[in-house]
Amino acid sequence: AQSVAQPEDQVNVAEGNPLTVKCTYSVSGNPYLFWYVQYPNRGLQFLLKYITGDNLVKGSYGFEAEFNKSQTSFHLKKPSALVSDSALYFCAVRDNTGGFKTIFGAGTRLFVKA
Amino acid sequence: GAGVSQSPSNKVTEKGKDVELRCDPISGHTALYWYRQSLGQGLEFLIYFQGNSAPDKSGLPSDRFSAERTGGSVSTLTIQRTQQEDSAVYLCASSYPEGGSSYNEQFFGPGTRLTVL
Repeated sequence: AQSVAQPEDQVNVAEGNPLTVKCTYSVSGNPYLFWYVQYPNRGLQFLLKYITGDNLVKGSYGFEAEFNKSQTSFHLKKPSALVSDSALYFCAVRDNTGGFKTIFGAGTRLFVKA
Repeated sequence: GAGVSQSPSNKVTEKGKDVELRCDPISGHTALYWYRQSLGQGLEFLIYFQGNSAPDKSGLPSDRFSAERTGGSVSTLTIQRTQQEDSAVYLCASSYPEGGSSYNEQFFGPGTRLTVL
């Protein structure tokens, strides 16, 4: 069965510092991996995805994520955090064996302090 | 419409009543998903529809929950005999499952906040 773990409920970082939001997954077959963001009082938005190809994927708002097959991880990163990055981040996984069921992690709340 | 729409935006009901939540996906999107987000919690998968295939209902928490998608477009999630634990935000999303630059990305609606008194 598919599963996603986001081990940190909350991540605190100072503006201008690099940030990392962690995600590990478990699927049968090769994974499709996603990051979504939920800003306060706004809907969920797609950030980036890994389907195949380069392990480092770049997405919206300067975010990137690295797919690591041996560690079954897909950590979200940004070189320099902004206060406006403060939001709830969700990692999601879908297996590519034929179904479209997508499992989301519990979410990590990111606080960026000025 | 440009995005996924959901109605109503808020619904307050009494325990034991039935409710219907509606989702209008982006035109042309063949996949449609329903999720539930309880306060402070992550997204819980409920059901998805893909084209004319049988829906994956594996996430529905009980037989009080059902969903249908008519004409490959609009979907309705029905909760019968609502309970207080059903209180949550119900989110709908649609996507192109294959093909195109945005395939597999889910576009979410604003959600319906359900409160069961």
